[in-house]
Amino acid sequence: GAVVSQHPSWVICKSGTSVKIECRSLDFQATTMFWYRQFPKQSLMLMATSNEGSKATYEQGVEKDKFLINHASLTLSTLTVTSAHPEDSSFYICSAGGGAVNSPLHFGNGTRLTVT
Amino acid sequence: GENVEQHPSTLSVQEGDSAVIKCTYSDSASNYFPWYKQELGKGPQLIIDIRSNVGEKKDQRIAVTLNKTAKHFSLHITETQPEDSAVYFCAASPNNDMRFGAGTRLTVKP
Repeated sequence: GAVVSQHPSWVICKSGTSVKIECRSLDFQATTMFWYRQFPKQSLMLMATSNEGSKATYEQGVEKDKFLINHASLTLSTLTVTSAHPEDSSFYICSAGGGAVNSPLHFGNGTRLTVT
Repeated sequence: GENVEQHPSTLSVQEGDSAVIKCTYSDSASNYFPWYKQELGKGPQLIIDIRSNVGEKKDQRIAVTLNKTAKHFSLHITETQPEDSAVYFCAASPNNDMRFGAGTRLTVKP
């Protein structure tokens, strides 16, 4: 089946630094990838839709200058948390679909970010 | 936009019993309904999905039913096992804009 690889699985950084998270579709091409944030015991909150070769579409309330998304190829999207603060600590998950309308989304295993 | 509600938020069953999780959606344009299982510290994994032209789908111990008129769909797990313990999310998608329910934490007691 389709595999989405996300790295790193966990990261600890200091306040004020930036962290980059990678999301790769290993065996299929993904023109669209999605980035989510998940708080403990809560559902997936869509942050932005990453479109290959164009600007990402951010959900209302998500700061695009803080959460930089780059989708430079059909198999790689990156999320950079800039000038991280402790309140940015969370579980970040990416997903990608097969491209067809309403095809299943396949998720990475998430990245646990802790900002100290 | 689409709004998905999921119940119950927590569910505890004895091993071997059945578990049922229900979801409702608001957008009649939704035509794809996947279910995901998320284990602790991992990303959600697709376990079954159903499209709007089908009323029921089964895969071994897991089945999903869809009532388009009432805008609700359900996940049924029979003969539950301890390894079924996880958080389950339903989702509804009108044209790739997938929205998730709040999740159900299922605990299967041995």
